[in-house]
Parts: sequence; structure tokens; C-alpha cells
Amino acid sequence: QVQLLESGGGLVKPGGSLRLSCEASGFFFRDYHMTWIRQAPGKGLEWVSYISSSGGAIYYADSLKGRFTISRDNAKNSLFLQMNSLRAEDTAVYYCAKVRGFGMDVWGQGTTVTVSS
Amino acid sequence: SYVLTQPPSVSVAPGQTASMTCGGSNIGFYSVQWYQQKAGQAPVVVVYDDTHRPSGIPERFSGSNSGNTATLTISRVEAGDEADYYCQVWDNSSDQSVFGGGTKLTVL
Repeated sequence: QVQLLESGGGLVKPGGSLRLSCEASGFFFRDYHMTWIRQAPGKGLEWVSYISSSGGAIYYADSLKGRFTISRDNAKNSLFLQMNSLRAEDTAVYYCAKVRGFGMDVWGQGTTVTVSS
Repeated sequence: SYVLTQPPSVSVAPGQTASMTCGGSNIGFYSVQWYQQKAGQAPVVVVYDDTHRPSGIPERFSGSNSGNTATLTISRVEAGDEADYYCQVWDNSSDQSVFGGGTKLTVL
């Protein structure tokens, strides 16, 4: 069964950092591109970042302005999102998703990040 | 950056047909995906590459894409279809994925 399990969310103060993880199972993780998407409370979906299967191609949403870093460890079937200089507007549920074609075919259940003093 | 526009809400009676649009400049040249998100749950893809349905998605769900508008159509709407629906494309010019603002489908 194809599954993605996010972890690492929590409460962090403005200016702080957090590292999210996404553990994949049920498919050959190393063969697939991956992505992060977030959803602020009561708002729509917002794409965050993309990483190719090898890690050789990485893209970010313009709004992040270099504060976030995506990475992966294919040996551990894991995807990561390092988030620095966090702001209140980064408060959201963060989803990892498996890329298929130009979209996402499998989503995790999400991990909640709250940025507040 | 590329912008996708969706109506905030659509209402339909059970058994009727719901159509939700996704507007974008020359969207017909893009591959459009549609995601269903029920309250408190993660999104699920219901249509990919404009018209294709993943396994397990009922045939009642269909997609089309031409010109400046992509459309998700749900025929014989059921109460269980009530959800938020998002369209999405990959914008090659900016190397970014883009989501529409979402449409809330209400089944009357």
C-alpha cells in the first residue's frame, strides 16, 4: 500500500526553525519526484517545493524567498523540508505528495506547523 | 506567475450535474489536475492530465480542457461529493506548480 507519513510539525516562535519529514512506503521512492504543499487554516492549497527523484532538480515557490530547503534521502525513503526564519503566515498543514506527470497522485495526511509567540 | 481562477462556490441538488471551472490564460496547453478535499482530510486526485480518472474514482467524474477554461463535471451528484475542489497545473515558464483558489461544492 502506497503511503506517505509526515512528521516534525509543532509550535515554534517567529524567527524559529523546524524540519519536517515525510516517510514513504509501498513504492520505489528513489524513482519518483516529490513535492510539498501547504494549507493555511481555512485557506486553499499552496504549492511549496519540488525535488526530482535524484535530487538534481529543485524548485520553490517565489513567496518563500529562500527560507525553505527541500531535500531527500533515497536510502531512507524520506523527504525533508527545512524551514527557517518562520513567520506567522507559515502557519499551515504541510503535506508531502508523490509526483505523477504534472500533478500529485498520492498525498500524506499532513503535519501541522504553528508559528506563534 | 501563472494564475488559475475558480468560482468560490457551486451548489447542486442530488442527482443533478455539477460543473466547476478553472480559468487560466491558454490553459488548454497545460495538463490540468483536479483534487477533491473533504473536510478534515487530505486532497485526493480525481482527474489528471485533463481527462483521465485514477482507479477507484467513479465514472461520474470527468474533465475537459480547452482554450482558457478547464472544467470538472460531476454527474448524478451525491451527498458524499460535497467537498472543496482544486485545479492545478505545472507552469514550465516558472518551474512552479500552481493551484486554483478552490471551489466549494455544496449538495443541497
